[in-house]
Order: sequence, then C-alpha cells, then structure tokens
Amino acid sequence: SQKIEQNSEALNIQEGKTATLTCNYTNYSPAYLQWYRQDPGRGPVFLLLIRENEKEKRKERLKVTFDTTLKQSLFHITASQPADSATYLCALTRGTGANNLFFGTGTRLTVIP
Amino acid sequence: EAGVAQSPRYKIIEKRQSVAFWCNPISGHATLYWYQQILGQGPKLLIQFQNNGVVDDSQLPKDRFSAERLKGVDSTLKIQPAKLEDSAVYLCASSPRLAGQETQYFGPGTRLLVL
Repeated sequence: SQKIEQNSEALNIQEGKTATLTCNYTNYSPAYLQWYRQDPGRGPVFLLLIRENEKEKRKERLKVTFDTTLKQSLFHITASQPADSATYLCALTRGTGANNLFFGTGTRLTVIP
Repeated sequence: EAGVAQSPRYKIIEKRQSVAFWCNPISGHATLYWYQQILGQGPKLLIQFQNNGVVDDSQLPKDRFSAERLKGVDSTLKIQPAKLEDSAVYLCASSPRLAGQETQYFGPGTRLLVL
C-alpha cells in the first residue's frame, strides 16, 4: 500500500540548533514534493517545492533534500527560533502529470527558548 | 490579495443531521480542493474541481458527501447524514492551475464536531 511517513509525531529542539524532519514514502514515484507549515487552528501554508530531478532546494533558513533512490526527503531549519514551532507536513504528487497532493501525518516541532 | 475564505469556522451538529460548508477561493484560481483533516493526521483529499468540473472525487464518500462548484467560483461541501467519524476539520484550498507543481493556498478550515 502507499504510505507517507514523517519521522516522529513531535520533535523538541533548543533554540539556535538545526531541526531536521524526515519524510519517507513507499509505492509512490512523485514528480514533486512539497513542504507545508500548519499552525494550530489554521490551514497549511506552502514553504518549499522540490522536483524529482533536484537534489536540494534552499530558501532563507530552510533547506529541503530529495533522494528518489532512498524515497526520502529531509527538511532542515537552521538557527531555529521559537516562532518556527508548528506542525510541518510533507506532501507529494503520485507521479508525473498527477496533480493531487498526498499528505503525510506531520511532525510537530517545538523550539525551546 | 484576499486569501481563501471559508464559513462557518465552527459547527456542532448531532449525528444524522446535515451540514454544509462554503468556500470562496482566491480570485482567478481555476482549481479548488476540499480536504478532510482528522485530528493528528494530514489532510486527505475529498474532491478536486477544475473550474466547475470534477477532476477527482475518488475518496469522497458519495453516499453521504456531495460537493458542487457552480459557475466555477464558490463551492459548497455537504454531509447528509453526518456520522460521528465525520468530526474533523474541512479545509478548502485553491491553486491557479491544474498541475502538480502548483502551490495550494488553504483557507482556515471549518471545524466540525458531530455528537
């Protein structure tokens, strides 16, 4: 069956450290993988998109890697801040030409001051 | 630019009652999505529209859920009759085009509690 797993339900880190979140998938061949942030009581907000032929993407303190051999994406937040505390969702398309997003269960990140 | 609007924000009903949610996407966005997000899970796609046509409703429980997007702008999602397991947040999202690389813009969601 098709699965999208994010490493843990919750991750606590100290302010200033790098947070690393994992997204593993099985039985998908995604053309695109996206990361979203969701705050309590709000809808998800888009952060980054990475294509299957890209290894890495960066945006300010955020970095995403995509390894189609390992079927894994890593999401890094460097110099983390308490304001980065939220749930982070990975989402992928099923294949080339597909346009529906399938979401993982999310990882709740807490940055401790 | 105004974001995706949804109403109501909260709804409490008893099982077997009916309920309807409304969504107004970002102006000019051709694609509209309805998701169900159960507590502790990621959003699950229920139905996807391109303008006023249905692109994918494979995960919509059609015996009780229905949705429409008349005139290709606003959309409504209805549940009739509701079950306890329908308690969830219902998210509406829109994107400019029908493509996998498109960013989806989400509304704040409607939190439904079925008693």
